[in-house]
Amino acid sequence: SQQGEEDPQALSIQEGENATMNCSYKTSINNLQWYRQNSGRGLVHLILIRSNEREKHSGRLRVTLDTSKKSSSLLITASRAADTASYFCATPPLDTGRRALTFGSGTRLQVQP
Amino acid sequence: EAQVTQNPRYLITVTGKKLTVTCSQNMNHEYMSWYRQDPGLGLRQIYYSMNVEVTDKGDVPEGYKVSRKEKRNFPLILESPSPNQTSLYFCASSPTSARPYQETQYFGPGTRLLVL
Repeated sequence: SQQGEEDPQALSIQEGENATMNCSYKTSINNLQWYRQNSGRGLVHLILIRSNEREKHSGRLRVTLDTSKKSSSLLITASRAADTASYFCATPPLDTGRRALTFGSGTRLQVQP
Repeated sequence: EAQVTQNPRYLITVTGKKLTVTCSQNMNHEYMSWYRQDPGLGLRQIYYSMNVEVTDKGDVPEGYKVSRKEKRNFPLILESPSPNQTSLYFCASSPTSARPYQETQYFGPGTRLLVL
């Protein structure tokens, strides 16, 4: 299975509500990244949190990282219709010989206006 | 504007007809890579390049070639496309660092390819 697994797979909320997405991973990491992808478009980097950080904010985004549970969460506050997209967590390879991030399967967020 | 560009954005072709998808970045990044995205399979790396004239296979390199003659360009070549290469392709680059593949990736807008 993939290194990063997002939960839930899909989420539908009303504009103004908060959206929380979770990511679990299996191996040790030195950072964890979140990306957004609008339908059929390129991925956009949202935030990177390093393994020695527990929480990070960027605008309406709040990311937490719990390395003991191998999990991370992305919170989008006061959601907007424009936040409708798929959100992916990604983890870098450590000691595997791979030279690419491993992406989870994503959470599809629908924000209803 | 700092960006990664890909061309074409959409392409319909037939089996066996050689094609090239171009990728260019204007951020002076050394590391560049190609991914394909398929439903249920997520993003998978095809090839990557650590620098000019340095390329290597990713997770799914079969049926693809790449070249890196200049820092800014990293074209993806399909010598003889087959229907199983129908996919959404992304080019990405990352700022120079000790391990750029571990850091923030900057993605192009994607190329949707249909091979008939």
